[in-house]
Amino acid sequence: QSVLTQPPSVSAAPGQKVTISCSGSSSNIGTNYVSWYQQLPGTAPKLLIYENNQRPSGIPDRFSGSKSGTSATLDITGLQTGDEADYYCAVWDTTLTASVGTGTTVTVL
Amino acid sequence: EVQLVQSGAEGKKPGESLKISCKASGYSFSTYWIAWVRQMPGKGLEWMGIIYPDDSDTRYSPSFQGHVTISADKSNTTAYLQWSNLKTSDTAIYYCARLEATRDAFDIWGQGTMVTVSS
Repeated sequence: QSVLTQPPSVSAAPGQKVTISCSGSSSNIGTNYVSWYQQLPGTAPKLLIYENNQRPSGIPDRFSGSKSGTSATLDITGLQTGDEADYYCAVWDTTLTASVGTGTTVTVL
Repeated sequence: EVQLVQSGAEGKKPGESLKISCKASGYSFSTYWIAWVRQMPGKGLEWMGIIYPDDSDTRYSPSFQGHVTISADKSNTTAYLQWSNLKTSDTAIYYCARLEATRDAFDIWGQGTMVTVSS
């Protein structure tokens, strides 16, 4: 059972914004960096955000992350049909273990 | 190009053994942790464990400890995930992923291996 809780689904119209939350605790999000992954249908996950708010090269700035206390957030602005996917938050901690969020399905209306 | 290429889909019966692979290329295999992640049909991602190929230091999620074995072969730049006694509940897609420790994130993922266990 995952210790990082995400809403099962969020939706918005094209061009709008969605926000995905990731709720944890002081032992995971509270003391470690959060990363975010996008899993398009039928494909492997892909890194979207690392160190709470950093984007790897090639990731558009429509995707942004933030962290406050024991929660993190992924924002997607200018929503496109190609953004329909499952999104996961994750934490890698100093005890050499990982926690992965429950996952959120983004639907473009 | 940095990539992880996984072995092909497998169909097995309960009680059988299995070893799937994750071939790394384009980077120094020994000095990056490699993780395994399970995705059961229609479900989310679950972290199973991780290995550091240079010294084979391995850590398991409590949920998977004792049921799977993670290993690595530096000479072949390949990581492995194996079962000795498969169950129908092991039916899933299994992904390997490279940990970029300077970013605390899994930056490279394999394409996934579908394992089907059915009598």
